[in-house]
Amino acid sequence: GENVEQHPSTLSVQEGDSAVIKCTYSDSASNYFPWYKQELGKRPQLIIDIRSNVGEKKDQRIAVTLNKTAKHFSLHITETQPEDSAVYFCAASRDLGFQKLVFGTGTRLLVSP
Amino acid sequence: NAGVTQTPKFQVLKTGQSMTLQCAQDMNHEYMSWYRQDPGMGLRLIHYSVGAGITDQGEVPNGYNVSRSTTEDFPLRLLSAAPSQTSVYFCASSPSRTGHYEQFFGPGTRLTVL
Repeated sequence: GENVEQHPSTLSVQEGDSAVIKCTYSDSASNYFPWYKQELGKRPQLIIDIRSNVGEKKDQRIAVTLNKTAKHFSLHITETQPEDSAVYFCAASRDLGFQKLVFGTGTRLLVSP
Repeated sequence: NAGVTQTPKFQVLKTGQSMTLQCAQDMNHEYMSWYRQDPGMGLRLIHYSVGAGITDQGEVPNGYNVSRSTTEDFPLRLLSAAPSQTSVYFCASSPSRTGHYEQFFGPGTRLTVL
């Protein structure tokens, strides 16, 4: 089955810096890659997603890139702000109907003022 | 809309006890699912449903049962609780429309099994 690895497990940056979180997946049939943000004690919430027919997607300060050949995808956050501090999870799925998401282990991002 | 709701928020059980975690959504979503979240392990899919009367196993189904008698409700039953089931449980729902894949999570239930 699918296996998703996520790095780093923790990331500390200064406000205004960029942050990059990387994930690799094992199942070449996976075709949907969402990123979820989870603030402390809260529920996960989707922040951006990408399908395998697209190499990059951007939404304001966040972007996701996908390299299908290497089977990895990355989350990029520019001009980080303290409110970006949270745990970020990547996930992969091969079903565009119901997505049986396989999640990475999470990255704790800390943005210091 | 309330979105996805879960009860209870917190629960403590003794080993061997049974209980049901409740999940409801008011967005008329066809798909519903249960995940558990353990430290350092991300979220793992327990069971899911693609519509009323249809359920299937996820990655870690052992020790859990589900049923889906209505579109709105998707309860998770622990048959005989074990300490290994101590976790935070999230219910999620998503629409079945093509191009709309976001899963909406509930607030979670923190379960401790002693």
